Amino acid sequence: SQQGEEDPQALSIQEGENATMNCSYKTSINNLQWYRQNSGRGLVHLILIRSNEREKHSGRLRVTLDTSKKSSSLLITASRAADTASYFCATALGGGFKTIFGAGTRLFVKA
Amino acid sequence: EPEVTQTPSHQVTQMGQEVILRCVPISNHLYFYWYRQILGQKVEFLVSFYNNEISEKSEIFDDQFSVERPDGSNFTLKIRSTKLEDSAMYFCASSRQGLNTGELFFGEGSRLTVL
Repeated sequence: SQQGEEDPQALSIQEGENATMNCSYKTSINNLQWYRQNSGRGLVHLILIRSNEREKHSGRLRVTLDTSKKSSSLLITASRAADTASYFCATALGGGFKTIFGAGTRLFVKA
Repeated sequence: EPEVTQTPSHQVTQMGQEVILRCVPISNHLYFYWYRQILGQKVEFLVSFYNNEISEKSEIFDDQFSVERPDGSNFTLKIRSTKLEDSAMYFCASSRQGLNTGELFFGEGSRLTVL
């Protein structure tokens, strides 16, 4: 798999349910970031977790990082229709001048 | 709230023509990036720019592409002799710190259609 691969590719849930998205990566990282993209729009930064952190919260978002497994997960609790978007994980490589994005998970939250 | 702005929002061009996509990064940011996203596909890194020079570029960023910061506020991507496969959304991003510590702020993108 490529650096920063999310699964599932698509996820459809009911409003109020939790949504979990996973990301795997291949090389060592300094941090891992999650972004959101509404259809046809720019990406919006959600949360950054450093390699020495295991879990981080921001509002309804919870991100975990397991560097031994080279994986991360993004949990959105109590989802809303407005959470419908694509979610991407991103990792900064090398000297930090190159951030690679995964293919993304398309989340659809039904009202 | 400061934001990254991109122009044009949509450009249609004929194959073989040159296009320039413009970006105004957030004013106190030091690092600048271009990404592209072909419809329905992943966001691909093109180039990063710091201290008035390219810091890193991908294999996509060949001699057809160039970047410039001509006046201290604008950051441009030039695509020479466009090809059909250059049709994509092009996103500019900036960050205050290097990527090892900071988040990217993205513009809304420029949609390029090559006919």
